[in-house]
Amino acid sequence: AAGVIQSPRHLIKEKRETATLKCYPIPRHDTVYWYQQGPGQDPQFLISFYEKMQSDKGSIPDRFSAQQFSDYHSELNMSSLELGDSALYFCASSWEGTVRQWTQYFGPGTRLLVL
Amino acid sequence: AQTVTQSQPEMSVQEAETVTLSCTYDTSESNYYLFWYKQPPSRQMILVIRQEAYKQQNATENRFSVNFQKAAKSFSLKISDSQLGDTAMYFCAFGETSGSRLTFGEGTQLTVNP
Repeated sequence: AAGVIQSPRHLIKEKRETATLKCYPIPRHDTVYWYQQGPGQDPQFLISFYEKMQSDKGSIPDRFSAQQFSDYHSELNMSSLELGDSALYFCASSWEGTVRQWTQYFGPGTRLLVL
Repeated sequence: AQTVTQSQPEMSVQEAETVTLSCTYDTSESNYYLFWYKQPPSRQMILVIRQEAYKQQNATENRFSVNFQKAAKSFSLKISDSQLGDTAMYFCAFGETSGSRLTFGEGTQLTVNP
């Protein structure tokens, strides 16, 4: 079965640089979520999109922005990177269909290291 | 805001034995979803089991089952016939019905010993 695809899988950046993370949801899934997981922590919700509109917003820094495109893929743009942004970034997708409604399936994550 | 609490930071079990992981949550909602996710050393987040709050029947998935006590706001995970591959961090998560964010507990590190 198709899964959530994230790219790149690993990313190394310098402070103050920018980074773009991409997410391709499971086919027919209409909702995309972004989470940040620091070392030894649980995942923290950043932002979500339903049918290309922002549906919920969590603790996402103003330096970050995201959008969902017409093909339902999503991108998380991170600017002025700080050391504290080093983390594992997950994308998840779900759908409002009748089978496993609103169950979030996670991608493999993007490991971001800011030096 | 919803909160999820996992009071057992670490647990261990012998291979082939049964172990139960605890989770409690707080919400004012009457309808919601609860999940257990597994995160092995690869750090992939893998769905283990899902429970809809309006269903009284406890969910089961092969060796994994839950004990859902809605009034007590408790959602424990039982793993039967534990296998070495079950070694992972287990997260309990709460989700509203509208498809919004998941709120995770702090996690329980489970080690299955041979």
